[in-house]
Amino acid sequence: SAVISQKPSRDICQRGTSLTIQCQVDSQVTMMFWYRQQPGQSLTLIATANQGSEATYESGFVIDKFPISRPNLTFSTLTVSNMSPEDSSIYLCSVEGGMTPNTGELFFGEGSRLTVL
Amino acid sequence: EDQVTQSPEALRLQEGESSSLNCSYTVSGLRGLFWYRQDPGKGPEFLFTLYSAGEEKEKERLKATLTKKESFLHITAPKPEDSATYLCAVQAGSNYKLTFGKGTLLTVNP
Repeated sequence: SAVISQKPSRDICQRGTSLTIQCQVDSQVTMMFWYRQQPGQSLTLIATANQGSEATYESGFVIDKFPISRPNLTFSTLTVSNMSPEDSSIYLCSVEGGMTPNTGELFFGEGSRLTVL
Repeated sequence: EDQVTQSPEALRLQEGESSSLNCSYTVSGLRGLFWYRQDPGKGPEFLFTLYSAGEEKEKERLKATLTKKESFLHITAPKPEDSATYLCAVQAGSNYKLTFGKGTLLTVNP
């Protein structure tokens, strides 16, 4: 299992500003995933972050809007840039739970709830 | 495009009243179907993985089953602590990415 800590847990932001969410894992992991959970919507993968390489973004998400850092095997950040009210959402960090990669068994952080005014 | 549809959106049960949640999916080459539980203000918690039609998994009062088109999460004699949102997700083809449904909000009244 893995323990994942996210900061901040919640924040209220002004339109046009940017916010960086931090994700710390208690063990070394190869891949870290960033998800978005909008009200009434499915959990959606934003990007996959591998240490030492550029993040891989899913369709509809771009690096300029959601820059990601992955400086080591236990830490990652997601920045939500130039925020608008449509960015109000819960952002979740996750890692794989098993020893075998790509199993789909994920551990999630508790999420960062952003409200953009 | 992979699609996952969960029903009902919300379900209210009395304690001890058994029921089932449904997850129907449309994918090309299912690799696995996953059930997660999410409590308010928390991230999802992994429950089960099902890989092939006919497979069943159990955990306490929960049993997950899988057919070629859908999965059911059966809840037997639920307790109030089973109240949560239950999420279904699929992994298909060569893509490791999970596609999630919108979830079923289960409320169990004492």
